[in-house]
Amino acid sequence: DAKTTQPPSMDCAEGRAANLPCNHSTISGNEYVYWYRQIHSQGPQYIIHGLKNNETNEMASLIITEDRKSSTLILPHATLRDTAVYYCIALPYNQGGKLIFGQGTELSVKP
Amino acid sequence: NAGVTQTPKFRVLKTGQSMTLLCAQDMNHEYMYWYRQDPGMGLRLIHYSVGEGTTAKGEVPDGYNVSRLKKQNFLLGLESAAPSQTSVYFCASRTAGRNQPQHFGDGTRLSIL
Repeated sequence: DAKTTQPPSMDCAEGRAANLPCNHSTISGNEYVYWYRQIHSQGPQYIIHGLKNNETNEMASLIITEDRKSSTLILPHATLRDTAVYYCIALPYNQGGKLIFGQGTELSVKP
Repeated sequence: NAGVTQTPKFRVLKTGQSMTLLCAQDMNHEYMYWYRQDPGMGLRLIHYSVGEGTTAKGEVPDGYNVSRLKKQNFLLGLESAAPSQTSVYFCASRTAGRNQPQHFGDGTRLSIL
């Protein structure tokens, strides 16, 4: 499974877009990029996933570079409730969904 | 809509005691997972199940046993608890389709003295 690299922490002003980067330079062709977040003391929450096309849902947008070596999760209008640890995970589609969590990025949204 | 429910939410054990953590899901999901999370770290997979009656080892299975006798329940057992097993335990489930996301419970906080 590809290793992912994320900055340990980021700040964002409330109401602004939060752009969280993830490096996955060794990703293979059958690995999807998943994003989960974990709000303090709660279980992780699924946000979005993609293979090579950009994806958008009601929570966020996922931008994957053309060479698939990196991606960016975008929260378009961050709120205080978006303060959490965000995990970027590269996952083969055929491995039973066994998530491997790294350290993630601790996003602090400030008023 | 309960989703994934973990029981108990908190527990304190003495070294050598045994206990079972229960995970129940009401979404008819085929796949279920047990993770542990130590302070300042990401989750690590202990065991998982791809269906009723089947289990498999994850990344850190030593010291734990699991059973999936019913589709909706996934049990995690500690036969002889050790202080190194002090952690927060999360259960997750998902449907069997490709690229389906996992749904997590709110965790069990376990302290072993």
